[in-house]
Amino acid sequence: TQLLEQSPQFLSIQEGENLTVYCNSSSVFSSLQWYRQEPGEGPVLLVTVVTGGEVKKLKRLTFQFGDARKDSSLHITAAQPGDTGLYLCAGGPPNYGQNFVFGPGTRLSVLP
Amino acid sequence: GAVVSQHPSRVICKSGTSVKIECRSLDFQATTMFWYRQFPKQSLMLMATSNEGSKATYEQGVEKDKFLINHASLTLSTLTVTSAHPEDSSFYICSRGYQETQYFGPGTRLLVL
Repeated sequence: TQLLEQSPQFLSIQEGENLTVYCNSSSVFSSLQWYRQEPGEGPVLLVTVVTGGEVKKLKRLTFQFGDARKDSSLHITAAQPGDTGLYLCAGGPPNYGQNFVFGPGTRLSVLP
Repeated sequence: GAVVSQHPSRVICKSGTSVKIECRSLDFQATTMFWYRQFPKQSLMLMATSNEGSKATYEQGVEKDKFLINHASLTLSTLTVTSAHPEDSSFYICSRGYQETQYFGPGTRLLVL
């Protein structure tokens, strides 16, 4: 069974601080996605990474896929209250017929 | 813009009634769609895979007679919670995939009284 772990589970920081969220597994994934979910809404895709070692930037967010495609990180620079939400990583199945695997999420709170 | 829609967004029902939730793929046909439930402050839990033209595939522990899934067309999947009970109250989300990514609907909040 493929599992994804995320750390930390909860994070409360002040506006302007930097933070990194980690997504780890012992399994290899064909791709990895990061989503942000706000209360009462569905998850919204932030990024998809597919190549080991890949780094993608989305404004103040930097995403990295591990070389072995087993882990990923999300770094936020100068966090803002609007970044508050549940951050989910999801691994794309390495084999056809398998399902996406979701991490338990990191709940981020950015205080003004 | 949104590529997956859900209806209704919120529903309140009495215990023992059935509730149908619709999930539509707006931009292209989807032979496979997914249904999840999410309890407060928890991550998504995959319930079942909806397959157009064949039976849904349910995850372990999910009652197929309780949660009826019908993939009526290539753009519509429905989840019916039959004989709903208060413990079925949750946030139900559907998704469909495209090129290594899942796109989610906005979710349906079900409250069973």
